[in-house]
Amino acid sequence: SQTIHQWPATLVQPVGSPLSLECTVEGTSNPNLYWYRQAAGRGLQLLFYSVGIGQISSEVPQNLSASRPQDRQFILSSKKLLLSDSGFYLCAWSVTGIASETQYFGPGTRLLVL
Amino acid sequence: GNSVTQMEGPVTLSEEAFLTINCTYTATGYPSLFWYVQYPGEGLQLLLKATKADDKGSNKGFEATYRKETTSFHLEKGSVQVSDSAVYFCALSDRNSGYALNFGKGTSLLVTP
Repeated sequence: SQTIHQWPATLVQPVGSPLSLECTVEGTSNPNLYWYRQAAGRGLQLLFYSVGIGQISSEVPQNLSASRPQDRQFILSSKKLLLSDSGFYLCAWSVTGIASETQYFGPGTRLLVL
Repeated sequence: GNSVTQMEGPVTLSEEAFLTINCTYTATGYPSLFWYVQYPGEGLQLLLKATKADDKGSNKGFEATYRKETTSFHLEKGSVQVSDSAVYFCALSDRNSGYALNFGKGTSLLVTP
């Protein structure tokens, strides 16, 4: 069966520090991968998606970046965190990225920037 | 562009009450529609989905019908339980972003005994 892992589960970081959040998927090949953010008082916002290794599309201009160094690994990074980067970060995958496809979400990383 | 609008929460109901959470959408083409649920302290999980007009998705006593004429996908349950307390998100698949999900802001539901 397929599983999705995210770590760390929680993170407290000072403003201006770097960030690296990791997401890995097991039990499937060539998944579509997604990063979403859930900020306080706001809905879920798509940040990045990837349809293959090294292929990253950004939806929202900001100080975050994403990389996909391996087929089932998706990393969210920042060189310098802002207070506004605080939120709940969710990674998700789908099999082929067609319209009807269910997305499966990881447990999330709760990030607090102080 | 595509968007999803769902009713503001929080919604507080007594156990066994009838639930409706309204959701309307704006989209080009024919998106698939979803309801996801987030239980306290957990990530998101699919509750139900519908992939074409007039389809009805159902799961765990919840239902939603894809209404193309009113661009709606309202979530309903005839008798809620305390364990249904969660945040509910309506979403559509957006072909312009790798079929990523375009979510509404979420509706928090609290069911009291």
